[in-house]
Amino acid sequence: DSGVTQTPKHLITATGQRVTLRCSPRSGDLSVYWYQQSLDQGLQFLIQYYNGEERAKGNILERFSAQQFPDLHSELNLSSLELGDSALYFCASSVGEMRETQYFGPGTRLLVL
Amino acid sequence: GEDVEQSLFLSVREGDSSVINCTYTDSSSTYLYWYKQEPGAGLQLLTYIFSNMDMKQDQRLTVLLNKKDKHLSLRIADTQTGDSAIYFCAESKEDTDKLIFGTGTRLQVFP
Repeated sequence: DSGVTQTPKHLITATGQRVTLRCSPRSGDLSVYWYQQSLDQGLQFLIQYYNGEERAKGNILERFSAQQFPDLHSELNLSSLELGDSALYFCASSVGEMRETQYFGPGTRLLVL
Repeated sequence: GEDVEQSLFLSVREGDSSVINCTYTDSSSTYLYWYKQEPGAGLQLLTYIFSNMDMKQDQRLTVLLNKKDKHLSLRIADTQTGDSAIYFCAESKEDTDKLIFGTGTRLQVFP
């Protein structure tokens, strides 16, 4: 158990819908990262927050957004969902902002029908 | 470039050593990681190595880094059936903390 929690574990929804994935980092960690794992794209970095502020952005679609709250938990919002958004979404956390080991949560499996 | 490549499959007999290889293209990588993913589970950090090191050993795991060839390997000694999983190498760079993952190597251990 890495100490990073993600909810829900599974999510099934329809195209065009909007969902919110939640992540709680390890106690004491200030950085949260979101990754997407899909069959065709592999594991891809989406976005990083540090202490409430966006720090780095990767291959994140405009339909997706994230935020980190004052209690350091983070949410990833996915809207206008398409079939291709079906994937495993991981959250990771680390102590600091740069060059820190990232610990991953169990992931949220999203299925868009 | 940001490509990290791994072979897709590796099959070994229980008790043998496994060697999983990874090549990366960006020489500015600072840390290199190995993660393990079991079926239906998240990513478990196994070990990591800083780019100025050649080797790191941690119990049954040995990481070798050849920076000149941009080649990273993970050796698992006395491989067990519980080691069956997908193994990902990942790199991070000095100016960013995002991890760039390889394609993953599926290790199958048979009795």
